[in-house]
Amino acid sequence: NAGVTQTPKFQVLKTGQSMTLQCAQDMNHEYMSWYRQDPGMGLRLIHYSVGAGITDQGEVPNGYNVSRSTTEDFPLRLLSAAPSQTSVYFCASSYSMRGYEQYFGPGTRLTVT
Amino acid sequence: EDQVTQSPEALRLQEGESSSLNCSYTVSGLRGLFWYRQDPGKGPEFLFTLYSAGEEKEKERLKATLTKKESFLHITAPKPEDSATYLCAVQAPSGAGSYQLTFGKGTKLSVIP
Repeated sequence: NAGVTQTPKFQVLKTGQSMTLQCAQDMNHEYMSWYRQDPGMGLRLIHYSVGAGITDQGEVPNGYNVSRSTTEDFPLRLLSAAPSQTSVYFCASSYSMRGYEQYFGPGTRLTVT
Repeated sequence: EDQVTQSPEALRLQEGESSSLNCSYTVSGLRGLFWYRQDPGKGPEFLFTLYSAGEEKEKERLKATLTKKESFLHITAPKPEDSATYLCAVQAPSGAGSYQLTFGKGTKLSVIP
């Protein structure tokens, strides 16, 4: 099992550009989520999904869009990148939303100039 | 509002010097408390889940315990390879049938040979 995979590992964008961060899992997990990690702050939830076709907002959803057309994939779209979106992004998956541990991908380091 | 506070922010230990990391929390309806290890440039790696006060889990040199207000991660005779940032997260109801993780900011552990 590859677990949770993310691409790309690094990305530099100019302000206003859009891009998609890819996330895939091969554990047949129902729950998937996106977090951002900034220095001096804990991981913060951006969006999450409890199954194909079902998504919802987390703590910091503004400027991001998600969809989930399959169980395996959960891409995160930045609509119009801003310097405030410079961060490390982690995708995670779990058997279920309630009471189960989440498994994290290796992360994407994004810089917006 | 759910809160998770980890202390200390950073800890330097000599190899073999045992110590504990603290995670204090205030949540309504704790569903689970999770410990993760994060190495630089990598995603968090799951260590333990604790569900109720009095529960303990062990793995090699690590032992996690839980009370109604806090959790401790005890490190016995640490080795340099235990150096990492240790993250604590709590899961609780967050409205409309949703359960989300709230992360602490982490404790950066350095074990000196």
